[in-house]
Amino acid sequence: GENVEQHPSTLSVQEGDSAVIKCTYSDSASNYFPWYKQELGKRPQLIIDIRSNVGEKKDQRIAVTLNKTAKHFSLHITETQPEDSAVYFCAAKSSASKIIFGSGTRLSIRP
Amino acid sequence: GAGVSQSPSNKVTEKGKDVELRCDPISGHTALYWYRQSLGQGLEFLIYFQGNSAPDKSGLPSDRFSAERTGGSVSTLTIQRTQQEDSAVYLCASSFPGITDIQYFGAGTRLSVL
Repeated sequence: GENVEQHPSTLSVQEGDSAVIKCTYSDSASNYFPWYKQELGKRPQLIIDIRSNVGEKKDQRIAVTLNKTAKHFSLHITETQPEDSAVYFCAAKSSASKIIFGSGTRLSIRP
Repeated sequence: GAGVSQSPSNKVTEKGKDVELRCDPISGHTALYWYRQSLGQGLEFLIYFQGNSAPDKSGLPSDRFSAERTGGSVSTLTIQRTQQEDSAVYLCASSFPGITDIQYFGAGTRLSVL
């Protein structure tokens, strides 16, 4: 079945620097790739998503890139701020329309 | 409703008792998911309902866990003979595959088994 792998599991960056989280997926028919942010004690919330017909999407300081050939996609956060500290989950929609999540990345922003 | 609603928000039970957790998805959403999240851990997939298709139960950890979705709307997750390791936050999410695909999560039910 579909599998989504996410790296790294933890990431610490200096405030103002960039953070990159990478994911790979196994189902070549996957066509939708969302990213969720979960703050401590809160529910996961969508921050950005991309479909398989585009290679990159940007929304202010966050961007997602997709490489369909290699079956990997990445989240890029620029000019990181303390409020970016959270757990980030990537996901992929399988051919069965099921959303499969990665294992999560705990991002810490050092002041 | 405005979003995915889960009840109760907190549940404390004794080991060996049965519990029922409820999820009210966003109206019209055909897909509904249950996840389990232990403290500091990721989203453990439990079960997936999509329209009238047979549910994907591949994530249920044991036969003590079951779920149903009545009338394509409300879902109930039942845990029988609860164990201490069942303590976690149980999250429900719904979506409309093929239309928006975005999953909206409920606030979760925090289950504590004493």
